[in-house]
Amino acid sequence: AQKVTQAQTEISVVEKEDVTLDCVYETRDTTYYLFWYKQPPSGELVFLIRRNSFDEQNEISGRYSWNFQKSTSSFNFTITASQVVDSAVYFCALSGPSNFGNEKLTFGTGTRLTIIP
Amino acid sequence: DTAVSQTPKYLVTQMGNDKSIKCEQNLGHDTMYWYKQDSKKFLKIMFSYNNKELIINETVPNRFSPKSPDKAHLNLHINSLELGDSAVYFCATGSGGLIYEQYFGPGTRLTVT
Repeated sequence: AQKVTQAQTEISVVEKEDVTLDCVYETRDTTYYLFWYKQPPSGELVFLIRRNSFDEQNEISGRYSWNFQKSTSSFNFTITASQVVDSAVYFCALSGPSNFGNEKLTFGTGTRLTIIP
Repeated sequence: DTAVSQTPKYLVTQMGNDKSIKCEQNLGHDTMYWYKQDSKKFLKIMFSYNNKELIINETVPNRFSPKSPDKAHLNLHINSLELGDSAVYFCATGSGGLIYEQYFGPGTRLTVT
């Protein structure tokens, strides 16, 4: 069975501070995918990143960066110099290998991030 | 052009009614999904279709019946609506293969009164 744990239910930081959202996962699959999604107050789910289990290279996209560590089964997300527009619920998700429709996402419970101006 | 669209965006109805939610994608993906997000924001998969074939059918009441008339469309029909069906329903598509990603529609907020 797959499981994703986002232990931080809510985080508040002052604008321009850096913030890290934690994600820990469990899976028996040797090939799997990890995702982060953003859900702003408007409600849509915005795809941020996908990582393959065989690619542990960290990634940076503008103010966003992701740290994938298989040794600790973690896929943490850092926002640098946070802005008010970053306020949202962030979900970490896990999928098994891509297999013709059998790739269901298992979501964590989400972290509500509030950026205080 | 919206990649994954859903209609309606909001749906308010009374208990016992039957309703449908429609989803369309123009990404050319083979796989489409329905997810349910409850009042606590928890997201859980309900169904997946690959090339119009039902692949995943999680533990969902049989009052929920998905239908995929073609690869670009996946509809969700709900019979005899109950208060507990109130949630946001998201359609998603999956690209498959090594560069596997899932993209979500805007969601349909269903309120059963």
